[in-house]
Amino acid sequence: SQTIHQWPATLVQPVGSPLSLECTVEGTSNPNLYWYRQAAGRGLQLLFYSVGIGQISSEVPQNLSASRPQDRQFILSSKKLLLSDSGFYLCAWSRDRAADGYTFGSGTRLTVV
Amino acid sequence: EDQVTQSPEALRLQEGESSSLNCSYTVSGLRGLFWYRQDPGKGPEFLFTLYSAGEEKEKERLKATLTKKESFLHITAPKPEDSATYLCAANAGGTSYGKLTFGQGTILTVHP
Repeated sequence: SQTIHQWPATLVQPVGSPLSLECTVEGTSNPNLYWYRQAAGRGLQLLFYSVGIGQISSEVPQNLSASRPQDRQFILSSKKLLLSDSGFYLCAWSRDRAADGYTFGSGTRLTVV
Repeated sequence: EDQVTQSPEALRLQEGESSSLNCSYTVSGLRGLFWYRQDPGKGPEFLFTLYSAGEEKEKERLKATLTKKESFLHITAPKPEDSATYLCAANAGGTSYGKLTFGQGTILTVHP
């Protein structure tokens, strides 16, 4: 069966510090991978998605970047965090074209102080 | 532009009081309508997928239905453990195919 791992679960970082959130998927190959941000526990905003190694599409201009160095690894990064980067970050994976929807990770609560 | 709108934003029910959540969508060529449940501090958990108008899916006290413009999540005789945020999402065709568009969610609270 397929599983998705996301870490850390909670992170408190000072303004201006770097960020690295990691997501890995097991039990499947060539997944589509997604990073979402959720503000105030409500709607999901798509940040990045990837259909393959090294292929990253950005949905929203921002202070963040994403990378996919391996088939089942997706990393969300920032060189200098802003207060506005605080939120709940979710990684998800799907099969091609998401016909079966997404499977989400457990999320990372990021607080920038 | 693809849009998904959920209503109400919040719903408070007494245990056993049945009700429905609404998800209206405007997408070009729906390829799937998804319902998720999200508990506080956790990732969304998959509930149902609906692909065509008239389709219905059931799981315990929940039933999801789909028309050409909206989907409903019916909750029959809810219990306090059904309290959560319910999200719907649409998978549109065309250039958006594969990128789900999510609604803002409905926060359901069931009081004992």
